[in-house]
Amino acid sequence: AQSVTQLGSHVSVSEGALVLLRCNYSSSVPPYLFWYVQYPNKGLQLLLKYTSAATLVKGINGFEAEFKKSETSFHLTKPSAHMSDAAEYFCAVRPRNTGGFKTIFGAGTRLFVKA
Amino acid sequence: KAGVTQTPRYLIKTRGQQVTLSCSPISGHRSVSWYQQTPGQGLQFLFEYFSETQRNKGNFPGRFSGRQFSNSRSEMNVSTLELGDSALYLCASSFLAGGPDNEQFFGPGTRLTVL
Repeated sequence: AQSVTQLGSHVSVSEGALVLLRCNYSSSVPPYLFWYVQYPNKGLQLLLKYTSAATLVKGINGFEAEFKKSETSFHLTKPSAHMSDAAEYFCAVRPRNTGGFKTIFGAGTRLFVKA
Repeated sequence: KAGVTQTPRYLIKTRGQQVTLSCSPISGHRSVSWYQQTPGQGLQFLFEYFSETQRNKGNFPGRFSGRQFSNSRSEMNVSTLELGDSALYLCASSFLAGGPDNEQFFGPGTRLTVL
């Protein structure tokens, strides 16, 4: 069965510092991979997705993620954190062999940004 | 373009009751998926509908059911509520069903509290 693991339920960075949120997946076939952000009392918003084109994926708000098959990882990064980045981030996988949206989400990582 | 709307936004029920949640997708979208979000279990896939047909189903008991109408609006029903059903229920819509290029747009969710 496919699964996704996010390392660290909480990450704290200073404003202007590098943001690194880790995600590893478990799958015999590389799935489609996604990062979502959730602000308080809001639904999820798609940040970026990997679908087998370029391994370095650029998303919204200055975020990017790199797919590394050898490490089964899809870590999310941003060079310089802003206060507005404080939110919860979810890594998600969608198996390639299904025709629908049976998306599997990680447990989430809450990002704190210190002034 | 209006986003995904969910009603009601907040709901309080008691054990044993039943509840119906509603989701109106973005105009033109035909796929609707439902997710349950809890602090303990995270985000879990409930089911997905496309053109009034259930395409995928998660691992939830039969107390959880759903349907989709011809105008793509969807409802989910939970019967015989249990305390553990307290959660944020998120609905997501997409133009087509499945596939990596069909982005899901999430609604703000319905917060269900079971007393």
